[in-house]
This record gives sequence, structure tokens and C-alpha cells, in this order.
Amino acid sequence: NAGVMQNPRHLVRRRGQEARLRCSPMKGHSHVYWYRQLPEEGLKFMVYLQKENIIDESGMPKERFSAEFPKEGPSILRIQQVVRGDSAAYFCASSQQGALGNTIYFGEGSWLTVV
Amino acid sequence: SQQGEEDPQALSIQEGENATMNCSYKTSINNLQWYRQNSGRGLVHLILIRSNEREKHSGRLRVTLDTSKKSSSLLITASRAADTASYFCATDGTSGSRLTFGEGTQLTVNP
Repeated sequence: NAGVMQNPRHLVRRRGQEARLRCSPMKGHSHVYWYRQLPEEGLKFMVYLQKENIIDESGMPKERFSAEFPKEGPSILRIQQVVRGDSAAYFCASSQQGALGNTIYFGEGSWLTVV
Repeated sequence: SQQGEEDPQALSIQEGENATMNCSYKTSINNLQWYRQNSGRGLVHLILIRSNEREKHSGRLRVTLDTSKKSSSLLITASRAADTASYFCATDGTSGSRLTFGEGTQLTVNP
């Protein structure tokens, strides 16, 4: 019973390039969350998705960032024209139902470094 | 205002001692969860306590919740070097759509 799978684990991009981070939720989970963690800080919510729908994107920067969770395949967090400030760990989490009263399981994270 | 603030920010103890970490929050919650994060790794779920519960145990972990004070504590008894990690509390607020994390407590257990 695989957990939440994220890839790549580490990604290096030059300023201006695009970063694509992938997340496969746990089997049977249809709710996916993306969080960002800056060094020495806690996790900051970015977006909450269900299959083919964005439920809450209140934590997503208005520009350059987008997320999707298609009917088939993993959830994708896409960062266009990356800048140094995008360097962070990006965590995906999933749950069987919504976060209310339910445990959310996290992946191992994708560490993005922008040089 | 930040939901889920832990204190202390850092805690260093000797193996065998107990470690207590506190979490305060500002808005109403449905439940509160504690997570552990080893350096460079993802978050591992430790325990979930609902708003109508006051105390919960899991192995060497004991979590309390005081909704009147909007605070929770995580106690790790008989600590081990392997407990060295960052510990985060997370609350779901009233939206139910996400967890809000604090900045964490960095626990170091010295052998």
C-alpha cells in the first residue's frame, strides 16, 4: 500500500525555467493538497484539489503558479518562470475525504532549488 | 494572525527525559493534529484529537486539548535519540478544506 508519491525528490532549475512537480495520492484517495515549506518554517497551504476540480486555491500565488488533478494521472504543480524565491520544499498530501476530521497523509516532498 | 503556533521553538533534552511541546491557535477548530518531520523528509502523522476530546494517548505520546484556552500540548515520554525531529501542530479551522500549520518545535534528544 504505497503512500503519497512525489517526484522528482530534488529539482534544480535556472531562473526563468519551468518546474513541474508531480504527486500521486494514496490509493483510494481523491483529495489532494499542496503545501510549500521554506527553510526553518512551517508548511503553508497552497491549493486543495479533487479530481478535475480546484476546490480552494487561496494559498496559491496569483501569477506563475498553477495546479491540476486530472481524471487520470497524478496531480501536477506547475511553476512558470521560476525565481530564486521559489526555492523551497513542496509537499503533496492526500486524504480519502476532505480535511475536516480526517487524517491527511504527506509525501516525502520535492525540493526545488532555483539557481 | 497565525493559526497553530508552537512553543518552544527549540527544545534540547537528554535521552530518557520527557519532552513537552505546546501549540496555541486563534480560531475555532474541528480537530487538531500533530505531525513529526525529520530533517529533509516529509511529515509523519502522529495523532489527531477532535474538539470534543480532552486527551489522547498513542504509545509514548500524550496529547491534550483545551478548547477554552485554544491550546494543545504534545508530551513524549521516555524520549529517545530517534525522537529528534521537528514537531508541528495543525488545525483545520472552520473551512474544513485545509490544515494550517504552526512554525514547529525543533526537538533534539541527546544520547
